[in-house]
Amino acid sequence: AQSVSQHNHHVILSEAASLELGCNYSYGGTVNLFWYVQYPGQHLQLLLKYFSGDPLVKGIKGFEAEFIKSKFSFNLRKPSVQWSDTAEYFCALRAGAGSYQLTFGKGTKLSVIP
Amino acid sequence: KAGVTQTPRYLIKTRGQQVTLSCSPISGHRSVSWYQQTPGQGLQFLFEYFSETQRNKGNFPGRFSGRQFSNSRSEMNVSTLELGDSALYLCASSSSRGGDLYEQYFGPGTRLTVT
Repeated sequence: AQSVSQHNHHVILSEAASLELGCNYSYGGTVNLFWYVQYPGQHLQLLLKYFSGDPLVKGIKGFEAEFIKSKFSFNLRKPSVQWSDTAEYFCALRAGAGSYQLTFGKGTKLSVIP
Repeated sequence: KAGVTQTPRYLIKTRGQQVTLSCSPISGHRSVSWYQQTPGQGLQFLFEYFSETQRNKGNFPGRFSGRQFSNSRSEMNVSTLELGDSALYLCASSSSRGGDLYEQYFGPGTRLTVT
């Protein structure tokens, strides 16, 4: 069975600091990887996704993530965070042909201090 | 296009009762998945429906069930509610073709409180 681990439960940063949120997964086959964000009081939104090709993927709002197959990792990065990035971030994977099921990590809460 | 809608948004039930939650997917999406979100367990997959057939099921007891109608709308039912069923229940729909294949679009959720 597949699993996703997010190492940081809560990250606190000052505005303009750089961000890196860790995500590791466990699955022996081909995976698609996603980062979702949940802003306070809002529903889950897709930040970016990796399906194949260039392992460095760019998403909305200046976020990017790098897929490193040898490390089973898909870390999320942003060079300079803003107060509006305060939210909870979820890493997820889709495994297996035809399945739409997502397996999520426990999430990382990001607080950005102005 | 309109997003995923879920009704009701909030629900309070008593232990032992049953509840039905509804989800209307994005127009044209045929896959609907349900997730339970709790502070302790995070987001956990319940089940997925495609063209009225359940394709995948998560590790939840049989008290949790669902169905999908011919217009792709979906309902999930929880019978004999327990306190631990208090959670945010999220519905997500997906396209079966095109550039956003396998992307899941989430609704706002139904907040269920069991007392």
